[in-house]
Amino acid sequence: DQQVKQNSPSLSVQEGRISILNCDYTNSMFDYFLWYKKYPAEGPTFLISISSIKDKNEDGRFTVFLNKSAKHLSLHIVPSQPGDSAVYFCAASPNAGGTSYGKLTFGQGTILTVHP
Amino acid sequence: DAGITQSPRHKVTETGTPVTLRCHQTENHRYMYWYRQDPGHGLRLIHYSYGVKDTDKGEVSDGYSVSRSKTEDFLLTLESATSSQTSVYFCAISRNTDTQYFGPGTRLTVL
Repeated sequence: DQQVKQNSPSLSVQEGRISILNCDYTNSMFDYFLWYKKYPAEGPTFLISISSIKDKNEDGRFTVFLNKSAKHLSLHIVPSQPGDSAVYFCAASPNAGGTSYGKLTFGQGTILTVHP
Repeated sequence: DAGITQSPRHKVTETGTPVTLRCHQTENHRYMYWYRQDPGHGLRLIHYSYGVKDTDKGEVSDGYSVSRSKTEDFLLTLESATSSQTSVYFCAISRNTDTQYFGPGTRLTVL
C-alpha cells in the first residue's frame, strides 16, 4: 500500500517556465512533509519542507503548497533552470519531533527535465 | 553539506556471502537511518537508530541487521546476501527527527 504517491513519473519543462511537481498521501497521521532532489550517483539533497500547521512555505525559487483536506502537496519551481533537471522525491513523516523517530515514507519520484 | 560518508561506494558480491555497509557521520547527530532505493519504489526505510545501541526495524527489514556502537557509526549487515538485495543503499542522519540529510550511497550488486 503506497502511502505517498507521485503519479507523474516524468515532467518536461522549458527553461524560465514554472515546474509543478505533485504528491498525494493517504495517511492522515503525516504532519511533516519534505521535498528532496536527487542527481544520478548522488544522495538525495534536502530542498524544502512544510509542517501541517502551514499551507505554504517558500525558499527562493522553490515553494511548497500543502492542501490537508485533499491530502495533496505540490512543489513549484519558478523560474525553472536546466540545473534543476533531477529526480524529485516527496516524503512524509508522522509526528515530527515526537515519537515517530522521524521515519520518512517516500514517493516514487518524478524525473524533471528542464530544456534550455 | 552534512558530514556523512558511506563505505564502500560500490560492491559486487555473490549470493550467500555476508556484506557490511558502513555509514560514518561527523555531525554528532542522534538519529541515523538506512534506506534502499529501487526503481518504482522511491526510498524505503530498512532500519533506524535513535541512539547508541538503540535501533529498530523499518518497512523492509527482513534479511538485514544493524549495529550502532558509537554515535558516529551505523553499520548495515546482510547476513547472507540475495539477488533481491541488489540495490542502492543510502544512510541518513537527523539532529531532531525532522529533516534528514543523506550520504552519497552505496551501490550493491549481488550475483
